[in-house]
Amino acid sequence: DAMVIQNPRYQVTQFGKPVTLSCSQTLNHNVMYWYQQKSSQAPKLLFHYYDKDFNNEADTPDNFQSRRPNTSFCFLDIRSPGLGDAAMYLCATSRDRTGNLEQFFGPGTRLTVL
Amino acid sequence: DAKTTQPPSMDCAEGRAANLPCNHSTISGNEYVYWYRQIHSQGPQYIIHGLKNNETNEMASLIITEDRKSSTLILPHATLRDTAVYYCIVRTGNQFYFGTGTSLTVIP
Repeated sequence: DAMVIQNPRYQVTQFGKPVTLSCSQTLNHNVMYWYQQKSSQAPKLLFHYYDKDFNNEADTPDNFQSRRPNTSFCFLDIRSPGLGDAAMYLCATSRDRTGNLEQFFGPGTRLTVL
Repeated sequence: DAKTTQPPSMDCAEGRAANLPCNHSTISGNEYVYWYRQIHSQGPQYIIHGLKNNETNEMASLIITEDRKSSTLILPHATLRDTAVYYCIVRTGNQFYFGTGTSLTVIP
């Protein structure tokens, strides 16, 4: 089945130690999104890629970066994680940016910062 | 940035219809309403979406008022597996901005 895969499902890092979360998709979708979801809160969009075009949300901290080396993979890099960055990180894809297209979400990676 | 308002929680008896309301009074004419749900510790799952007309699929029905300022998601026969947080989302441009969601508990 076509799907969105996130690895690992659980990630533990130390305060200030860089960490990378990965997302892959077999849907061949043009758009990939990263969301941050803190405990008991709604997902919050961090940024998205439309093909190779990176689009950052205005309030996304500089500590968060992303890479998309090819259509299938997208990475979220947190350069210096703080305790406040502990959250579930969700990757999503959509076929395109326009039109009434749904987003397909992965299962998420839960990040713990010690 | 959330453009939707939902009650924080609701209960529903198993086998009964669950009606989840959403207000989106500032919605623009070409913005779609989407509904997703999130079962604990999983990614959000698509349910249904619509623009003006009522919509129905195998999971749910979506009723949108004529002025488009509110909508209702209907789960016709709720089961225990429908216990989840339900998000009503207005798609703004090419992005989803999630509201705070409604935590639905289906009671045996």
